[in-house]
Amino acid sequence: EVQLLESGGGLVQPGGSLRLSCAASGFTFGSYAMNWVRQAPGKGLEWVSTISGSGVDTYYADSVKGRFTTSRDNSKTTLSLQMNSLTADDTALYYCVKSTAHYGTYDFWGQGTRVSVSS
Amino acid sequence: EIVLTQSPATLSLSPGERATLSCRASQNINTYLAWYQQKPGQAPRLLIYDASNRATGIPPRFSGSGSGTDFTLTISSLEPEDLALYYCQQRRNWPCTFGQGTKVEI
Repeated sequence: EVQLLESGGGLVQPGGSLRLSCAASGFTFGSYAMNWVRQAPGKGLEWVSTISGSGVDTYYADSVKGRFTTSRDNSKTTLSLQMNSLTADDTALYYCVKSTAHYGTYDFWGQGTRVSVSS
Repeated sequence: EIVLTQSPATLSLSPGERATLSCRASQNINTYLAWYQQKPGQAPRLLIYDASNRATGIPPRFSGSGSGTDFTLTISSLEPEDLALYYCQQRRNWPCTFGQGTKVEI
């Protein structure tokens, strides 16, 4: 059974940093791209970042490029999202999401970790 | 960026009725479209991928169709548990984008 368990969310001041983690199990982690997708309170879904199975290739939404960094440790089957220079617009529920063989199809989602940016 | 426009915003139907949800893309995305269901308080769940393929474990009352710019998700006979938000999403171009969602009320 595929499981994705996010952690690391919390309340942070504008301009601050936060590191999210996702512990994955139940599948061959290094064989699949992984993603972060967020959902602001009462809003729709927004793709944030994708990392290839090897970790060599990363992709970011324009809204987070230069501030967020996605990484993975295939030996520990974990995905991370380092978030810097946070603003109120980054307030959201952040989902760790597994891709199918196609990068842009998301077949398993974690339950999310909440990030709130406020002074 | 490819914009996906979903309609209607809200669909109010009774159990057993047929639900038809639409998603229109701002440019040709072939069949690179998925549908997700998000029940209240839950994470999204993949229903349909590549426009018409049901994901594992999805009941046959859910079906998808379309290609190019116009797509449809059909729920043939609504069940009470189908109360949810439904999102379409394209993977034709980066960035992958989602529609704004259709709320299905039972």
